[in-house]
Amino acid sequence: EVQLVQSGTEVKKPGESLRISCKGSGYSFTSYWISWVRQMPGKGLEWMGRIDPSDSYTNYSPSFQGHVTISADKSISTAYLQWSSLKASGTAMYFCARHYSSAWSGDYFDYWGQGTLVTVSS
Amino acid sequence: SSELTQDPAVSVALGQTVRITCQGDSLRNYYASWYQQKPGQAPVLVIYAKNNRPSGIPDRFSGSSSGNTASLTITGAQAEDEADYYCNSRRDSSGNHVIFGGGTKLTVL
Repeated sequence: EVQLVQSGTEVKKPGESLRISCKGSGYSFTSYWISWVRQMPGKGLEWMGRIDPSDSYTNYSPSFQGHVTISADKSISTAYLQWSSLKASGTAMYFCARHYSSAWSGDYFDYWGQGTLVTVSS
Repeated sequence: SSELTQDPAVSVALGQTVRITCQGDSLRNYYASWYQQKPGQAPVLVIYAKNNRPSGIPDRFSGSSSGNTASLTITGAQAEDEADYYCNSRRDSSGNHVIFGGGTKLTVL
C-alpha cells in the first residue's frame, strides 16, 4: 500500500526555522517525484514545488522560489520542506503528494500525505 | 493566462447530474486532473489525464475537455459527493510548473 506519512503539527514564532518531513512507503521512492502543496486557512490548493528523489533536482513555483527549500534523502525515503525564517503568513496546512508526470498524462498527484499544520504566531 | 479558473460554488439536487468546469490557456496543451477534498481531509485524486479514474473512484465521476475548458461531471450525485473540487494541470512548457484552479464548493441538495 502506497503511503505518505508527514510529520506532526508545528507551532513556531516569526523568524524561526522549520523543517517538516514526508516519508514514503509501499513503492519505489526514487521512481516518482514528490511535490509540496500549501493550503492556507479557508483557501485553495497552491503548488509550491517538487523534487525528483533520484537526483534531488527541484522545481519551484515562482511564488515560493527563494522562500522555501525542498530536499530529499532517498536512503530513508523522505522528502522535506524547510524555511530558514518563518513569517506569520506561513500559517497553513502543508501537504506532500506523489507527483506523476509524463508527456501523455500531464501532471497529477495520485497519493497525498495527511498534511502538516504549521502555525506561525508571536 | 497561466491561471485556471473555476466557479466558486455549484449546487446539485440529489441524484442529478452536475458539471464542474475549469478554464485556462494551459488546458489547450495539457490534460487536467481533478481532486475531491472534504473538510479536514487531504485531497483525493478522482480523475487524471482528462478522463481516467483511479482505482476505487466510482464511475459516476467522469472528465472531458474542449479547447481551454476541462470539465468534471458527476452523474447521479450522492450526498457523500459534497466537497471542494480542484482542477490542476501543467502551467506551461518552461519548467514543469503545476497550477491549481481556485476550487469549486459542491453542495448536494
